[in-house]
Amino acid sequence: QAGLTQPPSVSKGLRQTATLTCTGNSNNVGNQGAAWLQQHQGHPPKLLSYKNDDRPSGISDRFSASRSGNTASLTITGLQPEDEADYYCSSWDNSLSGWVFGGGTKLTVL
Amino acid sequence: EVQLVESGGGLVQPGGSLRLSCEASGFSFNSLSMTWVRQAPEKGLEWVATITPDGNVKYYEDSVRGRFTISRDNARNSLYLQMNSLRAEDTAVYYCTREAGSIDYWGQGTLITVSS
Repeated sequence: QAGLTQPPSVSKGLRQTATLTCTGNSNNVGNQGAAWLQQHQGHPPKLLSYKNDDRPSGISDRFSASRSGNTASLTITGLQPEDEADYYCSSWDNSLSGWVFGGGTKLTVL
Repeated sequence: EVQLVESGGGLVQPGGSLRLSCEASGFSFNSLSMTWVRQAPEKGLEWVATITPDGNVKYYEDSVRGRFTISRDNARNSLYLQMNSLRAEDTAVYYCTREAGSIDYWGQGTLITVSS
């Protein structure tokens, strides 16, 4: 099944800003929006933003999401060591009648 | 507090069967769709199956359709995944998740290893 496209890796320095992207199509991201998940090694994913770009309670405002057309973005400001993790986007696909995920972006904080 | 607790994982031979369970608490289980997502070792997330709140509509990823069956018991606040004809490529951590607009809460996962 077709998934969403994410860059495999992004590296940024401490306290810098990282912007992660997720590209889909009009059947998923363009129509349904995208949610963002953070996963640390050995742990389950954690939701960072809902598909409408709202943050769940308890998620730092250093994480912000947006969307333009078929591409969703997650911006992380003031990078901290604990931000080093894998980040996934997800969306419901109307054509597939199922959830699609991006392949994940490994964020390294230098 | 929302909690999703999976059980039923383990080692199974190719062609074998396994049933996963997920016990939910902390929310109105019968009002939300539920989804199984899996993650193969060192790989990304893969959607497996989704079931609507009343259990009447089910969606499956192509590679599991016809082999896996998702079900729920709203009286027991429980979600299930019956897995038959298991293959090596089904080896993964299986997560129970709930949907509230997005897939928002995840269980800790249960590992399924398909190997002889």
